[in-house]
Amino acid sequence: NAGVTQTPKFRILKIGQSMTLQCAQDMNHNYMYWYRQDPGMGLKLIYYSVGAGITDKGEVPNGYNVSRSTTEDFPLRLELAAPSQTSVYFCASSGQGPRAFFGQGTRLTVV
Amino acid sequence: DQQVKQNSPSLSVQEGRISILNCDYTNSMFDYFLWYKKYPAEGPTFLISISSIKDKNEDGRFTVFLNKSAKHLSLHIVPSQPGDSAVYFCAAPGGGAGSNYKLTFGKGTLLTVNP
Repeated sequence: NAGVTQTPKFRILKIGQSMTLQCAQDMNHNYMYWYRQDPGMGLKLIYYSVGAGITDKGEVPNGYNVSRSTTEDFPLRLELAAPSQTSVYFCASSGQGPRAFFGQGTRLTVV
Repeated sequence: DQQVKQNSPSLSVQEGRISILNCDYTNSMFDYFLWYKKYPAEGPTFLISISSIKDKNEDGRFTVFLNKSAKHLSLHIVPSQPGDSAVYFCAAPGGGAGSNYKLTFGKGTLLTVNP
């Protein structure tokens, strides 16, 4: 039972490069989320999805895009990486209830 | 506009003693609260939760207390163990338009339990 799987675990990007952070869950959860965590800060919601084909912005969506073509996958796209996007990114999912299950995180550095 | 506040960035306690982590909230619409625990280089993991219809929920060494009138909750760990050393986040679902399940987090409290 893998739960929520994120890839890659680490990545270094140059300013202006693009990348996709992958997230997959095997719990058949309808709700999926992307959070970022900066040092000394809590987790801030970037985007979320309430089901396949439905996504919406969270608190800090600028510079990111998402898609949800299947129940299992919720990739996060960075189009033009900036140093302000250096952070740890967490994907999460939840089913019938607010308890969210988190992946192990992706540590991204933009230089 | 910080709707969930953890005002203590860190807490240090001796093994065997009680750890008390505090959380305040401003949104009266919150009716459910969760505590997550996070070790370095890992994702947050669910620890314990409480509904606003209760004022206490206990699970082994962990107890969460809710004071609705003060908009305050606390997590008690008794007895504290070195393996409890982690960052603890308080969270509440809702806090804005859209899905009622999306969680709003506090900034976290780093708990260190000394042997």
